[in-house]
Amino acid sequence: NAGVTQTPKFQVLKTGQSMTLQCAQDMNHNSMYWYRQDPGMGLRLIYYSASEGTTDKGEVPNGYNVSRLNKREFSLRLESAAPSQTSVYFCASRLSTYGYTFGSGTRLTVV
Amino acid sequence: DQQVKQNSPSLSVQEGRISILNCDYTNSMFDYFLWYKKYPAEGPTFLISISSIKDKNEDGRFTVFLNKSAKHLSLHIVPSQPGDSAVYFCAASAGDSWGKLQFGAGTQVVVTP
Repeated sequence: NAGVTQTPKFQVLKTGQSMTLQCAQDMNHNSMYWYRQDPGMGLRLIYYSASEGTTDKGEVPNGYNVSRLNKREFSLRLESAAPSQTSVYFCASRLSTYGYTFGSGTRLTVV
Repeated sequence: DQQVKQNSPSLSVQEGRISILNCDYTNSMFDYFLWYKKYPAEGPTFLISISSIKDKNEDGRFTVFLNKSAKHLSLHIVPSQPGDSAVYFCAASAGDSWGKLQFGAGTQVVVTP
């Protein structure tokens, strides 16, 4: 099915470990986004890519890096995971209007 | 500092009745507002939106009202159905923000038979 695909769906990391969350969309959307969802806080923007070749910080970028590998793929990397990064991570894409298409999320636990 | 606030974390409503979800915002630069619906273990899905040049937008059972002077919007669901049980997020965007959205904390709606 067309949409936004995120991998993995679940992950447990030890403090200090690194990992990359993968995101791919097949809708030919220009913009892609990474959000995290925490209880009582809604979704907060980590990084976004307005178009292929560009990336920019969002509201909560500390501890993360991103790569817009091509138009389809936008990855999120945690270089040294911390318990504060325990969250559900959502990738989203958008063409030119305001409607996002979200992936189904990655539930990350850092112990 | 949250610029979009949903002050009711939960709402319980009987099937067939009206559900009213509220959202307040503080940033006067917001010019586009959206509601998203989220089921457990799924990503949010777009429900309905409204531009700041309008005060009402309707789509089937869903209507969004915008009161710019009060910086307040609401989502009405009539009639409520069991499948409407989900978390609803209010979101807002400013015109020059590359589509970045500010989300509220969400309201859990439970529709009872």
